[in-house]
Amino acid sequence: AQSVAQPEDQVNVAEGNPLTVKCTYSVSGNPYLFWYVQYPNRGLQFLLKYITGDNLVKGSYGFEAEFNKSQTSFHLKKPSALVSDSALYFCAVRDSGAGSYQLTFGKGTKLSVIP
Amino acid sequence: DTGVSQDPRHKITKRGQNVTFRCDPISEHNRLYWYRQTLGQGPEFLTYFQNEAQLEKSRLLSDRFSAERPKGSFSTLEIQRTEQGDSAMYLCASGPFETGKIGELFFGEGSRLTVL
Repeated sequence: AQSVAQPEDQVNVAEGNPLTVKCTYSVSGNPYLFWYVQYPNRGLQFLLKYITGDNLVKGSYGFEAEFNKSQTSFHLKKPSALVSDSALYFCAVRDSGAGSYQLTFGKGTKLSVIP
Repeated sequence: DTGVSQDPRHKITKRGQNVTFRCDPISEHNRLYWYRQTLGQGPEFLTYFQNEAQLEKSRLLSDRFSAERPKGSFSTLEIQRTEQGDSAMYLCASGPFETGKIGELFFGEGSRLTVL
């Protein structure tokens, strides 16, 4: 079985400060990992993914995430937060060896960037 | 706009009635997913189509739920004999052929179901 945990329901950060949104995962095999963002009244949007290769992956809007196999984590980061980054962020995982196309999502973390 | 569209956006029904949701994916996408999302939770997988073939269904999916994707284009999700616990946002997502695009999905804005 595959699962994702996002330990923080909400993260508050001041504009211009670095931000981190945490994610840990559990899979039987090797993970495919994803971050999606949901703005109010909008559909989820793909931000970035880790499939293989470099542990640091870069995505849209200046976001990046670091895959850490030993800690089974895939935290989302941005060096300098913008007010427009305020949204709901979802981490997702798929087990590469399970023969399944299912993405399992976490509960989401609400990011609030304070001006 | 050529994104994923879902219809209706909102549906209010009485318990015991049947409801059907439609999803029109991005035209060149061969992969299509249905997810369900309740307040404060992440999307929960329901089913997956590759072209017209339904390849995966959630083990949690009641037999009151059925989905189709005739001709590999639009998809419908039907809920029979609705219950109050079915109240949720039903999300459709589509994706291109997987090579180089693993897990990159485009989501619609969802169809919100309220069962009274």
